[in-house]
Amino acid sequence: GENVEQHPSTLSVQEGDSAVIKCTYSDSASNYFPWYKQELGKRPQLIIDIRSNVGEKKDQRIAVTLNKTAKHFSLHITETQPEDSAVYFCAAYTGGFKTIFGAGTRLFVKA
Amino acid sequence: KAGVTQTPRYLIKTRGQQVTLSCSPISGHRSVSWYQQTPGQGLQFLFEYFSETQRNKGNFPGRFSGRQFSNSRSEMNVSTLELGDSALYLCASSLAMGSGANVLTFGAGSRLTVL
Repeated sequence: GENVEQHPSTLSVQEGDSAVIKCTYSDSASNYFPWYKQELGKRPQLIIDIRSNVGEKKDQRIAVTLNKTAKHFSLHITETQPEDSAVYFCAAYTGGFKTIFGAGTRLFVKA
Repeated sequence: KAGVTQTPRYLIKTRGQQVTLSCSPISGHRSVSWYQQTPGQGLQFLFEYFSETQRNKGNFPGRFSGRQFSNSRSEMNVSTLELGDSALYLCASSLAMGSGANVLTFGAGSRLTVL
């Protein structure tokens, strides 16, 4: 069945450093790849997304890249700040009314 | 506009009981999806409803069921509760425009504890 693998499960960086989270999806029909951020005790919120016809998308300090051939996509956060500390989820949508999420990455940004 | 509203926010049940959770989507959103969130397991897809029809279902036992009403509000039910059902249940609504982006807006969740 459909599956999204996410690595690492935990990531600790120094403030100002970059953070990279990587995901792999199994269903080649997946055509939309969102990233959600969940702060402690709060609901997941969309922070950036990318469609299958685009290789890269950037929004200020965050960027996503997609390699359809390898079925890989990644989230890049530059110049990390303490408020970036949260759990990040990657996801894949196949168009079958079902969004599959990765297991999440807990990011710690140390001041 | 109002966001996704879930009720109740917290509830405690005992094994063998059943529970019903409610979700009111953003006005104009006709798709409602339900997810189970447990530590280390991420967000597990339960089911998705659109226009009162279940269009997709995850790999959960038949004890988990749901429905959607004509006003797009949705409920999910878990019967014969087990300890392992303790989790945060999140619902999310979307415009569900078919192919392409499916942006989910999540509710705050219903935290279920089974004793």
